Amino acid sequence: DVKVTQSSRYLVKRTGEKVFLECVQDMDHENMFWYRQDPGLGLRLIYFSYDVKMKEKGDIPEGYSVSREKKERFSLILESASTNQTSMYLCASSPWGALFQQYFGPGTRLTVT
Amino acid sequence: SQQGEEDPQALSIQEGENATMNCSYKTSINNLQWYRQNSGRGLVHLILIRSNEREKHSGRLRVTLDTSKKSSSLLITASRAADTASYFCATRESSGTYKYIFGTGTRLKVLA
Repeated sequence: DVKVTQSSRYLVKRTGEKVFLECVQDMDHENMFWYRQDPGLGLRLIYFSYDVKMKEKGDIPEGYSVSREKKERFSLILESASTNQTSMYLCASSPWGALFQQYFGPGTRLTVT
Repeated sequence: SQQGEEDPQALSIQEGENATMNCSYKTSINNLQWYRQNSGRGLVHLILIRSNEREKHSGRLRVTLDTSKKSSSLLITASRAADTASYFCATRESSGTYKYIFGTGTRLKVLA
């Protein structure tokens, strides 16, 4: 079974803090994604990575950066957390050439106070 | 409005009944998928239907696609309490983008 794990299920941070969300997948997938999920807005793509050190901006990259130094790990970084970044963050991975086959992690519910 | 919009937003039915939810989208698509999300968890892929397909079945799930109306429906037959979840459609535009656009979801509650 494909496993996508996220470092925390719940996280509470203060405004202005630098926040790291980690995602690890164990199926040697080339593609990895970070989404945020908000009520009434569905899932929105923040960043996509198709290989180590390669990334593409999604629909809402402002205020976020990413890092992919190893194939299995994709990190989302909030450089200076703000209250409007309070959300559920979902990581996903998929094999090369099979974008539709996305496997999701359990999510991290981040609260910024 | 968004590329994928589900209808209704919420649905409550009795166990054993069928549940139908709909998804509308705006642009030409390559394929459409349905996902399930249990409360506070990640999404689980249910079924994919390609743009040249009209209907697909998987167990108690039946998906239809009408590209002329830019809409899809997901039917869950003989529903169970364990089907209680949110259901999302996701579309990939035929322009070749890597992005999938997710709808806002239908919250299904199946009462035992």
